[in-house]
Amino acid sequence: AQSVTQPDIHITVSEGASLELRCNYSYGATPYLFWYVQSPGQGLQLLLKYFSGDTLVQGIKGFEAEFKRSQSSFNLRKPSVHWSDAAEYFCAVEEDSSYKLIFGSGTRLLVRP
Amino acid sequence: ETGVTQTPRHLVMGMTNKKSLKCEQHLGHNAMYWYKQSAKKPLELMFVYSLEERVENNSVPSRFSPECPNSSHLFLHLHTLQPEDSALYLCASSPLQGAWGYTFGSGTRLTVV
Repeated sequence: AQSVTQPDIHITVSEGASLELRCNYSYGATPYLFWYVQSPGQGLQLLLKYFSGDTLVQGIKGFEAEFKRSQSSFNLRKPSVHWSDAAEYFCAVEEDSSYKLIFGSGTRLLVRP
Repeated sequence: ETGVTQTPRHLVMGMTNKKSLKCEQHLGHNAMYWYKQSAKKPLELMFVYSLEERVENNSVPSRFSPECPNSSHLFLHLHTLQPEDSALYLCASSPLQGAWGYTFGSGTRLTVV
């Protein structure tokens, strides 16, 4: 069965610093992968997704993610973090090429002024 | 506005009350989902509806009763809840084809007193 691991529960970065949030998945074939962001008390918003083609995908709010098959990873990056990026971030993989998603447990991002 | 609307945004109810949460989407999606999100816990998938048929029920107590009268609307009927049921309840929808991900509503913050 597929699974998604986000090894970092919390990450703190200074405003203006670069960011990388880790995501590892287990899946035999090429997966469909997603990153979502959730601000406090809100629903999840899709940041970006990968399902084929270029392994570096661009998303909204200046985020990007790189699919690395050899490492079973789909890490989220941003070159310069803004205070408004403080939120919880969820990685997800689509289950068995169906329409259902499996979510990681999330990484909470804190931004220092 | 995400395309998925949840009402009410906040709900306080006693343990003997009966209330309903409503979710509505006009994105043309044919799958709808209920998730529970408690503090410091991962997202918990509760129910999945595909073409108005319940296809997944993840061991949810019978005090939660879902209803999907058509592909645009999803309800979660609540009765005799417990304080530990206090959480953010998120609705999502998706196409049945893969690679699209979910669109989430903003959630209903439920407090059981």
